[in-house]
Amino acid sequence: GAVVSQHPSRVICKSGTSVKIECRSLDFQATTMFWYRQFPKQSLMLMATSNEGSKATYEQGVEKDKFLINHASLTLSTLTVTSAHPEDSSFYICSARDVRQNNEQFFGPGTRLTVL
Amino acid sequence: RKEVEQDPGPFNVPEGATVAFNCTYSNSASQSFFWYRQDCRKEPKLLMSVYSSGNEDGRFTAQLNRASQYISLLIRDSKLSDSATYLCVVPISGGYNKLIFGAGTRLAVHP
Repeated sequence: GAVVSQHPSRVICKSGTSVKIECRSLDFQATTMFWYRQFPKQSLMLMATSNEGSKATYEQGVEKDKFLINHASLTLSTLTVTSAHPEDSSFYICSARDVRQNNEQFFGPGTRLTVL
Repeated sequence: RKEVEQDPGPFNVPEGATVAFNCTYSNSASQSFFWYRQDCRKEPKLLMSVYSSGNEDGRFTAQLNRASQYISLLIRDSKLSDSATYLCVVPISGGYNKLIFGAGTRLAVHP
């Protein structure tokens, strides 16, 4: 399989601050990455599709100005949660699509965000 | 109706038991389906892909019923290590594009 990393794995921040989460494909290039959010005991919800070299595509109900996505290289996508509030506390997971493996999405280990 | 629905469980079974999970989906045009496994506070990992009527891999069997729009996952001879949440996943437009995840079915295998 392919390896995807996320950093940081865990972050605690104060309300009103911004938090950046990195998603890297370590052994393959990914033109497309995805960002998901998972609240406790709920399913993963797709937030946005990150496309290398172009703007991200956001799902309905996800504020693009609050969740800034940058996919500047074929191995890195970043998600910045701006002006975080306690309701943004969640498990954020990225995935990267590997075209060498039938476009299968490989998931990062996730980032647990807690906003105080 | 939710796009992907699963029984949340939990299913508590003894080691060696056979257990089955069902998943229903709303988009009749869906062609491919996946079962993922997610351990607590971890990322989901692909368990099986289902493209035609079914798929079998060792103790795991997935079956697809297009007429009734449901997918099942059967686990035989359950192991303690099978304890996890099993996610039914349906792509919106085929392949591994946008994935719609079910809420998952929790399995707990006890000695």
